[in-house]
Amino acid sequence: DSGVTQTPKHLITATGQRVTLRCSPRSGDLSVYWYQQSLDQGLQFLIQYYNGEERAKGNILERFSAQQFPDLHSELNLSSLELGDSALYFCASSVGLAGEETQYFGPGTRLLVL
Amino acid sequence: AQSVTQPDIHITVSEGASLELRCNYSYGATPYLFWYVQSPGQGLQLLLKYFSGDTLVQGIKGFEAEFKRSQSSFNLRKPSVHWSDAAEYFCAVEAAGNKLTFGGGTRVLVKP
Repeated sequence: DSGVTQTPKHLITATGQRVTLRCSPRSGDLSVYWYQQSLDQGLQFLIQYYNGEERAKGNILERFSAQQFPDLHSELNLSSLELGDSALYFCASSVGLAGEETQYFGPGTRLLVL
Repeated sequence: AQSVTQPDIHITVSEGASLELRCNYSYGATPYLFWYVQSPGQGLQLLLKYFSGDTLVQGIKGFEAEFKRSQSSFNLRKPSVHWSDAAEYFCAVEAAGNKLTFGGGTRVLVKP
């Protein structure tokens, strides 16, 4: 158990809908990362937050957004869903921003868009 | 931009045999390198990491990896594979800004 929790574990929804994925980092970790794992794109970095502020963006679609709250949990919002958004979404956390940090991953949320 | 290549998509190994998974990276600066394992239906578990110092690093579950700067490689090894090692293995490099760039993964099948 990494100490990173994600809810829900599974999500089934329809095209055009909006969903919210939730992540609670390990106790004491200030950085949260979101990754998408799909069959065609592999594991891709989406976005990073540090202590409530966006720090880095990867290949995140405009239809996707995220935020990190004062209690450090994070939410990834996916809207206008398409079939191709079906994937496993991982959250990871690390202590801060310095180099030589380890990212610990949650169990993921599996999203299926029908 | 950084990239990671895992040349082997699948590897089949007999239980008790040795295992080596290849990883090559492309990154301009000194890399931070990681190996993660993903068991079916599970998240990513860190096996080991290299930041600096000794180029042979030990990890959990009996795995080790060797960083070779001249070959831009970070290959993962295990002397004797157990059936529970069947999983998908991902090599990753950390770029500036902490984001991880992953290879495509190598799926390991263990024959009894």
